[in-house]
Amino acid sequence: NAGVTQTPKFQVLKTGQSMTLQCAQDMNHEYMSWYRQDPGMGLRLIHYSVGAGITDQGEVPNGYNVSRSTTEDFPLRLLSAAPSQTSVYFCASSYTYDRDEQYFGPGTRLTVT
Amino acid sequence: SQQGEEDPQALSIQEGENATMNCSYKTSINNLQWYRQNSGRGLVHLILIRSNEREKHSGRLRVTLDTSKKSSSLLITASRAADTASYFCATKQGGSEKLVFGKGTKLTVNP
Repeated sequence: NAGVTQTPKFQVLKTGQSMTLQCAQDMNHEYMSWYRQDPGMGLRLIHYSVGAGITDQGEVPNGYNVSRSTTEDFPLRLLSAAPSQTSVYFCASSYTYDRDEQYFGPGTRLTVT
Repeated sequence: SQQGEEDPQALSIQEGENATMNCSYKTSINNLQWYRQNSGRGLVHLILIRSNEREKHSGRLRVTLDTSKKSSSLLITASRAADTASYFCATKQGGSEKLVFGKGTKLTVNP
């Protein structure tokens, strides 16, 4: 199993540009989530999904969209990038939302200038 | 807002010593998890303790949970330089689908 994969590893955007961060898992996990990690802030939950076709907001959803058309993929879209979205983004997955540990991807380091 | 808060924020010890990190949280939980993050990497799950458990062991790791005090501790015994990392607690609140992380403890183990 490849586990949780994220692309790209690094990205630089200009303010106002849009992009999609890709996340995929091959473990047939129902639960997937996106976090951002900023210095001194720990990890903050952006959006999550408990299964295909179901998504919900986390702590810091503004400026981000998600969709879950398949069990495997959970892309995160930035519609109009802002410097405040400069961060490291992690995707994670688990079998269920309430009983299991989460598996994390390697992260995407995003800089918005 | 973040549910768990780790203490201390940073800890520096010598190889062979024990390291203890604490996590406090605010509301009732289903379970509490500890994760490790090496510099520049993703998080790796260490241990999960459920709300009806008081202590759990995994190798050199010992986790305790005190639901009356809303706190947990992670003990790493006989630490090694390879244990140098940031450690995060994460809590799943009762009835919630969200796993919420604290800000982490940065552990440095000096050889």
